[in-house]
Amino acid sequence: SAVISQKPSRDICQRGTSLTIQCQVDSQVTMMFWYRQQPGQSLTLIATANQGSEATYESGFVIDKFPISRPNLTFSTLTVSNMSPEDSSIYLCSVLGQYNEKLFFGSGTQLSVL
Amino acid sequence: QKEVEQDPGPLSVPEGAIVSLNCTYSNSAFQYFMWYRQYSRKGPELLMYTYSSGNKEDGRFTAQVDKSSKYISLFIRDSQPSDSATYLCAMGDDKIIFGKGTRLHILP
Repeated sequence: SAVISQKPSRDICQRGTSLTIQCQVDSQVTMMFWYRQQPGQSLTLIATANQGSEATYESGFVIDKFPISRPNLTFSTLTVSNMSPEDSSIYLCSVLGQYNEKLFFGSGTQLSVL
Repeated sequence: QKEVEQDPGPLSVPEGAIVSLNCTYSNSAFQYFMWYRQYSRKGPELLMYTYSSGNKEDGRFTAQVDKSSKYISLFIRDSQPSDSATYLCAMGDDKIIFGKGTRLHILP
């Protein structure tokens, strides 16, 4: 399994500001995924980040709100822009395992927007 | 009908009991099935992975898949207080869909 480091682990932010979440993996991976986990809800895929190309966003998520960077095969960032209280959630970075079957997660970022 | 249904609980059982956690799904194209355990303020941890109908055992954990009924289960034997967590089912083919998770409390 991959070791995934995510930071910050939690943050409290003011409405209208932006937060960038970092994800570092201990091995090179082709695809990295960003999920949102809202209270009482399923994990929801925000976007898939491929190195060297634009991220692919799921329905309901847009690049202006959640810009993603993927500068190399071990690192990615997700920015939550112009935050509102509705953005309060856990944000999770994940990668597929060696045979592209099993999904592994970072420890998550607990975001609270006031 | 949602693609994946999972009772959110909470489910409280005494220590040592057998725990049964379940999910139903509607998409017959799902090929592989997973169970994750998530402790408070942590990311989900993969517990079990299977891609066929039947049972798969790993220590105190057994994953069961019934593709004909579109029903999967996770059994925990000799449950411990440390098993208290939220358990998420997940399944998919080219995209992974998660259940909402069941909160489990093991009472000492």
